[in-house]
Amino acid sequence: SAVISQKPSRDICQRGTSLTIQCQVDSQVTMMFWYRQQPGQSLTLIATANQGSEATYESGFVIDKFPISRPNLTFSTLTVSNMSPEDSSIYLCSVGWDSSGNTIYFGEGSWLTVV
Amino acid sequence: AQKVTQAQTEISVVEKEDVTLDCVYETRDTTYYLFWYKQPPSGELVFLIRRNSFDEQNEISGRYSWNFQKSTSSFNFTITASQVVDSAVYFCALSMLRGKLIFGQGTELSVKP
Repeated sequence: SAVISQKPSRDICQRGTSLTIQCQVDSQVTMMFWYRQQPGQSLTLIATANQGSEATYESGFVIDKFPISRPNLTFSTLTVSNMSPEDSSIYLCSVGWDSSGNTIYFGEGSWLTVV
Repeated sequence: AQKVTQAQTEISVVEKEDVTLDCVYETRDTTYYLFWYKQPPSGELVFLIRRNSFDEQNEISGRYSWNFQKSTSSFNFTITASQVVDSAVYFCALSMLRGKLIFGQGTELSVKP
């Protein structure tokens, strides 16, 4: 099974600032995904990050607000730019299922509170 | 369009009761995958099960069981003899593309002692 580590686990951010979340996987994966979970809500896919290409964003999410990097097959970052209180959420990184096709793994999540 | 509906927002039971969490999905694809995840208060998503569209066999894992019925587009989850530690939010999810999940709204289960 894949082990996914996210940093930071929690942070309190000032309005108008930006924060970068890191996602590290212990094995090489082709596709990585970033989700957002607003308080009391379900998870929504922000974007798909493939190594060597631009991230693909879902409707309602734009690159200027959520720039993503994918420098190699084990690492990705998501930046939340110019934050407002509405960005207060859990941000989760996930990877597509492994070669045996058994599951989809998630990181522990990064809890961001914007004040 | 693809969609997952978990009509039960909150369920409250007393310990040792059985409880079923409902999940109804919509997709026009013939190949798809269904998942259940548990999210305890700490926030992490715990994988419970994955089922593909070609496998309608029900599954049992300890106190957990899943009933997949393509005819009704449902993938229900039953916890037998519930315990306080089962208290969490449970999400049903659908995937057509490897790794890209569409989540239901979640069902918050509260098991009281």
